[in-house]
Amino acid sequence: DAGVTQSPTHLIKTRGQHVTLRCSPISGHKSVSWYQQVLGQGPQFIFQYYEKEERGRGNFPDRFSARQFPNYSSELNVNALLLGDSALYLCASSLYRGPNQPQHFGDGTRLSIL
Amino acid sequence: QQQVKQSPQSLIVQKGGISIINCAYENTAFDYFPWYQQFPGKGPALLIAIRPDVSEKKEGRFTISFNKSAKQFSLHIMDSQPGDSATYFCAASGPGGFKTIFGAGTRLFVKA
Repeated sequence: DAGVTQSPTHLIKTRGQHVTLRCSPISGHKSVSWYQQVLGQGPQFIFQYYEKEERGRGNFPDRFSARQFPNYSSELNVNALLLGDSALYLCASSLYRGPNQPQHFGDGTRLSIL
Repeated sequence: QQQVKQSPQSLIVQKGGISIINCAYENTAFDYFPWYQQFPGKGPALLIAIRPDVSEKKEGRFTISFNKSAKQFSLHIMDSQPGDSATYFCAASGPGGFKTIFGAGTRLFVKA
């Protein structure tokens, strides 16, 4: 079975632009979470979606938004990009909603802001 | 209260030795404590996890020890191998919350 897939793998943008990152969860998984991982740090929670609804949000500005589609895939959108948005963006899927479910991570999208 | 503090920041162990990574948390509502392994260019992979009603869990060469009263937990890697060289993250999550809080990570290097 395919794991969590994310696209694109790498992306270079300039300040002020917007970006859309995509995630396909493991087949049958209904929950998708997004994390930001700055170099040398642990992942920081951005959003969780379950059954197409936002179930949780971390301490990120409104420039960050996301959505989940009927097939449970998800998009993360970031507007008005800042240099500090440069990071690895990780998507994780789990079978059900809730933090106690094992999360399976994709290999991330490396976003660089110039 | 939402922090998970992890130490050491980096660790060098001889092949065959024991690697020990420690984590401490503050929020007593946390009730699920996973450990993740991350190789360069890859996403974190779940290694082993424990709930606070258990003091120890072992899977192969990996053991989690959990001290609920001290609000600390640790990962022990027995018979460490060069292939274990990676960054390890402890994490915590709990009911009513939906996000997993990660530690800052430990870079492990196992010398052959």
